[in-house]
Amino acid sequence: DQQVKQNSPSLSVQEGRISILNCDYTNSMFDYFLWYKKYPAEGPTFLISISSIKDKNEDGRFTVFLNKSAKHLSLHIVPSQPGDSAVYFCAASRTSGSRLTFGEGTQLTVNP
Amino acid sequence: DGGITQSPKYLFRKEGQNVTLSCEQNLNHDAMYWYRQDPGQGLRLIYYSQIVNDFQKGDIAEGYSVSREKKESFPLTVTSAQKNPTAFYLCASSRQGAHYGYTFGSGTRLTVV
Repeated sequence: DQQVKQNSPSLSVQEGRISILNCDYTNSMFDYFLWYKKYPAEGPTFLISISSIKDKNEDGRFTVFLNKSAKHLSLHIVPSQPGDSAVYFCAASRTSGSRLTFGEGTQLTVNP
Repeated sequence: DGGITQSPKYLFRKEGQNVTLSCEQNLNHDAMYWYRQDPGQGLRLIYYSQIVNDFQKGDIAEGYSVSREKKESFPLTVTSAQKNPTAFYLCASSRQGAHYGYTFGSGTRLTVV
């Protein structure tokens, strides 16, 4: 049972344009969501998070939007840069939970 | 600098041999985790531990074993019972409560030939 799904395995955008990565979840008990970025042969690094009491969180070029009624979140990167090319993982947790549940990941490629 | 260290980065083993992957953290984190990454399948949880001398099975624990004798260390043994051991293995740690997020190690690529 895949409780966190990233339906797009890959996304390609031009440098300077917006990248939008999507994530859906099925478990209504999840109340905390995180995005991680991963380069090949390295461990993922934390990017941005959002609590279910908010619908938007912004950090520089990165913004995460949460739509609780649709059980959907998205990560916007504006403007996209070639260095943003990586795999992006969505993750979810309960605040009282002991583990994160990850999506399958989306490979973002930003073309110069 | 605090961090989490996995060693070795690359590991080759013959089929039928057990192998142990090392994970050490000096972040004073209570919880530690082992994930496996396969292409197109994201990160799947093998085992996790929230406190010394205690650990729980994750979603794909069969063929793996762990120990947590020290707060800083959480080694993973891939046994000969694991049917498809070739993968990229990631160790992570966190403060108590997964919503604080994980700090990941740089991973170990295990290849079984």
